[in-house]
Amino acid sequence: GIQVEQSPPDLILQEGANSTLRCNFSDSVNNLQWFHQNPWGQLINLFYIPSGTKQNGRLSATTVATERYSLLYISSSQTTDSGVYFCAVTSGTYKYIFGTGTRLKVLA
Amino acid sequence: DVKVTQSSRYLVKRTGEKVFLECVQDMDHENMFWYRQDPGLGLRLIYFSYDVKMKEKGDIPEGYSVSREKKERFSLILESASTNQTSMYLCASRARLGGVNTQYFGPGTRLTVL
Repeated sequence: GIQVEQSPPDLILQEGANSTLRCNFSDSVNNLQWFHQNPWGQLINLFYIPSGTKQNGRLSATTVATERYSLLYISSSQTTDSGVYFCAVTSGTYKYIFGTGTRLKVLA
Repeated sequence: DVKVTQSSRYLVKRTGEKVFLECVQDMDHENMFWYRQDPGLGLRLIYFSYDVKMKEKGDIPEGYSVSREKKERFSLILESASTNQTSMYLCASRARLGGVNTQYFGPGTRLTVL
């Protein structure tokens, strides 16, 4: 089955810094989503992005499907950005494969 | 906005009890999912329902059953709770397979089995 790897596993930033999170997947996909899991455990949908580039405020994401990776950019980070970021993919079926996540801590 | 709600944020039960976790979505989505999340193991799919009364086993269905009598509601049942079912349980919903099918999650239920 598809393997999904995320890097880095942990990231500590000072408030205001920028960061790039990466998601690599081992086969072609038809669905890719980025989620943020907040400290209370809820997964918040950030982007549905099987290909191309999207932006939403300080966050943007790019997926290069032919090279099997996706990037999540966080600019001018804030303490509320802390949490775990997951990417999840599907490949022709209902089943989502989740990466192991990047744990982000933003310091004030 | 899509709203997925779960019946409890925190739940404490005793070994052997029958436990019901309820999930309701308000977007008329066909697909609904139950996951559990454990440290070091990530999110694992327990069961999936692709429509009313339709279900498929996920990766770890043992010890669980599900019920989907109405489109908006998907219930996870622990027939006889055990301590190894202590976990975070997450429900999600999605429009049918194909097209833009974003998955939306509920707030989660932290279940402790004593």
